[in-house]
Amino acid sequence: DTEVTQTPKHLVMGMTNKKSLKCEQHMGHRAMYWYKQKAKKPPELMFVYSYEKLSINESVPSRFSPECPNSSLLNLHLHALQPEDSALYLCASSQDFYDARNTEAFFGQGTRLTVV
Amino acid sequence: GENVEQHPSTLSVQEGDSAVIKCTYSDSASNYFPWYKQELGKRPQLIIDIRSNVGEKKDQRIAVTLNKTAKHFSLHITETQPEDSAVYFCAASSPSRGAGNMLTFGGGTRLMVKP
Repeated sequence: DTEVTQTPKHLVMGMTNKKSLKCEQHMGHRAMYWYKQKAKKPPELMFVYSYEKLSINESVPSRFSPECPNSSLLNLHLHALQPEDSALYLCASSQDFYDARNTEAFFGQGTRLTVV
Repeated sequence: GENVEQHPSTLSVQEGDSAVIKCTYSDSASNYFPWYKQELGKRPQLIIDIRSNVGEKKDQRIAVTLNKTAKHFSLHITETQPEDSAVYFCAASSPSRGAGNMLTFGGGTRLMVKP
């Protein structure tokens, strides 16, 4: 299995809703990432988990709350989002965040989020 | 931190021609340079990568070159086909403040291959 799987593919939520994005990989990768991608822009890093611990938080607002229940799963909990948070949210994984020889990152297909 | 510049932002070529996309980076500690292809509405897909101890790498119609001294790397696509039309992102991996390896992306190039 060489895939990163994200659910749901599409999500529409109101500004008062609470929702979660899910990501799963079974490649044995120990680093997992959340990126946000706006139209016609490159992916922007939000969070990095390494060995199930949060390693990097790129000053993301607290309305985004990541969680890594185990080495294969990564969640992003959403609460009280704003319309400007509408974007494609991409999950990625790599073998090891700290080993420069194993930095190939593979992306999931993303969740297209619309906040209304 | 690392800064990656990518040019051109759009590139239109005739089918069968070659396409070249160039990137420069700022952090001399960067050691890994992947290229991603992203078709409309799809995930970024790793198409080729190069490490800092290598000057050139080829995979069929695509090749990447790296000039560490000048801090630039390029993607070359030969015999372009309409299915090569997509947005291409370069990236550089450099040690982060937490000693991990973080990818910094270029701004992207929209490649259009006209039949």
